[in-house]
Amino acid sequence: DAKTTQPPSMDCAEGRAANLPCNHSTISGNEYVYWYRQIHSQGPQYIIHGLKNNETNEMASLIITEDRKSSTLILPHATLRDTAVYYCIVRVKPNNTDKLIFGTGTRLQVFP
Amino acid sequence: DAGVIQSPRHEVTEMGQEVTLRCKPISGHNSLFWYRQTMMRGLELLIYFNNNVPIDDSGMPEDRFSAKMPNASFSTLKIQPSEPRDSAVYFCASSIRQYEQYFGPGTRLTVT
Repeated sequence: DAKTTQPPSMDCAEGRAANLPCNHSTISGNEYVYWYRQIHSQGPQYIIHGLKNNETNEMASLIITEDRKSSTLILPHATLRDTAVYYCIVRVKPNNTDKLIFGTGTRLQVFP
Repeated sequence: DAGVIQSPRHEVTEMGQEVTLRCKPISGHNSLFWYRQTMMRGLELLIYFNNNVPIDDSGMPEDRFSAKMPNASFSTLKIQPSEPRDSAVYFCASSIRQYEQYFGPGTRLTVT
């Protein structure tokens, strides 16, 4: 699986958009980009995933560059409850070898 | 849906004792995963099952660790004998669509 690089920490004001970058310059053509987050003392939570097109759901938007070497997770209106560690993961399309490999992630602090 | 259920939520035991962690996946999910999280090593995949069959146990640290899934609604992770370095939070997760894993609340294990 390709490796990812994320900033260790970021701050965001409540109500503003939080843009979390992820670099995956060695991503292969059949690898997806996944985002999970982990709020303190809880298990990780799935957010969104994509292959090459931008994706949006009720939680966030995922913007993948045309060359697929980087992506950005966007929380459009961050709240204090969005304070968490955000993990960017790349791996092949799910098959029977269904593994997620978590890196160190980005610790997002949303402040009032 | 109650989500993934783990028990106990906290376990304190003495070195050398046997520890059994339990997990009930979400009904209908066909994949189950055991993870371990520590400050030093982050979130690590220990083993995962697909349709009750162990698919990949390469993350199991050593023979002291064993995992079983006797049926689709129950799994155990056993450590025998336990050691202080096994202290960690152990998460169980389940999935059906193979990209969206649902994590339980975790079991915080302390071995003294």
